Amino acid sequence: NAGVTQTPKFRVLKTGQSMTLLCAQDMNHEYMYWYRQDPGMGLRLIHYSVGEGTTAKGEVPDGYNVSRLKKQNFLLGLESAAPSQTSVYFCASSPRGPDTQYFGPGTRLTVL
Amino acid sequence: GENVEQHPSTLSVQEGDSAVIKCTYSDSASNYFPWYKQELGKGPQLIIDIRSNVGEKKDQRIAVTLNKTAKHFSLHITETQPEDSAVYFCAASTTGTASKLTFGTGTRLQVTL
Repeated sequence: NAGVTQTPKFRVLKTGQSMTLLCAQDMNHEYMYWYRQDPGMGLRLIHYSVGEGTTAKGEVPDGYNVSRLKKQNFLLGLESAAPSQTSVYFCASSPRGPDTQYFGPGTRLTVL
Repeated sequence: GENVEQHPSTLSVQEGDSAVIKCTYSDSASNYFPWYKQELGKGPQLIIDIRSNVGEKKDQRIAVTLNKTAKHFSLHITETQPEDSAVYFCAASTTGTASKLTFGTGTRLQVTL
């Protein structure tokens, strides 16, 4: 099992550009999450999904959109990137909600 | 919503000594408290968790204690080794389909030789 994978690993964007981050899991988990990690602020939840076709807002959803068309994939989109979205983004999945989340290796995004 | 505070932000111990990281939470409805370890350049990994019906849980050199009255839980690492050097995060949540983890701000543990 590859577990949770994230694509790409690194990305540099200019202000106003758009991009999509892909998260894939091969553990047949129902729940998937997108977090951002900033220095001194821990992990903050952006959006999450409790199953295929569902999405919900987390703590810091503004400026992001998500889709879960297939159970194994969870996409995070930035329509118009801003410097404040410079961060490390982590995807996680779990079989039963907040319990036992498995994290991907992260995507480091820089917005100039 | 839930608020989790974590202390200290950095901790340096000598190899073989013990390390203790403390967290407090605000929502009395929270009943699930995991600890994650994040090594440099990697995603966080669950190392131990505790639920509100248990006061203490141990797994080899790692233990977690929970005081629901004080809304306080702690991670204890005994006989520290260099490979314990990492950033540790505590978190809290209720349980249920819409429940979400709220993380502390992390503790950078450095184990020196």
